[in-house]
Amino acid sequence: SQQGEEDPQALSIQEGENATMNCSYKTSINNLQWYRQNSGRGLVHLILIRSNEREKHSGRLRVTLDTSKKSSSLLITASRAADTASYFCATAVLNDYKLSFGAGTTVTVRA
Amino acid sequence: ETGVTQSPTHLIKTRGQQVTLRCSSQSGHNTVSWYQQALGQGPQFIFQYYREEENGRGNFPPRFSGLQFPNYSSELNVNALELDDSALYLCASSMTGFQGEQYFGPGTRLTVT
Repeated sequence: SQQGEEDPQALSIQEGENATMNCSYKTSINNLQWYRQNSGRGLVHLILIRSNEREKHSGRLRVTLDTSKKSSSLLITASRAADTASYFCATAVLNDYKLSFGAGTTVTVRA
Repeated sequence: ETGVTQSPTHLIKTRGQQVTLRCSSQSGHNTVSWYQQALGQGPQFIFQYYREEENGRGNFPPRFSGLQFPNYSSELNVNALELDDSALYLCASSMTGFQGEQYFGPGTRLTVT
């Protein structure tokens, strides 16, 4: 089974609305990262949040991390059509050497 | 654009054949990781390299092998192709280690018939 699991699997919103997706994971982490993928192409790094951080912002993106609940959320504010993509969380597990990706949340922003 | 390139973009092979996929990392990035992404799934870790040595491997059989070269390029080789090997293959490089920010290439879409 995968370390990280995103919820919901799919999300459809109107342009200008906010989109929120969640990631839950199983074991202790060094950091958690969010990536975006457009139409089956390469992934693009969005944000990295370390285990001792609770919140990070980057432009219209806000990421929170709750290590007690082993969960993270990604908020996209004022969504645009260009935000239509799949979003993946990736966990860097303690004493491991790699990133483990979840199955992703597919976001569709309607004009 | 991440500066990571992959070739070819698309590839069609027959079951039982062998394939080599190539990746060119960004200058200064000393780690490269390879992932397999099936349709509708997240990337699955295959293996990774640091200074031309394999430094970790996922749950993939030995017919998946790789190389990293001094010039920041790397290869993924798959022998005895099976239908389930059909997927998008992604390489990613980093200057901050295997658990740092990864820079992904655009991927190679492999179809096995």
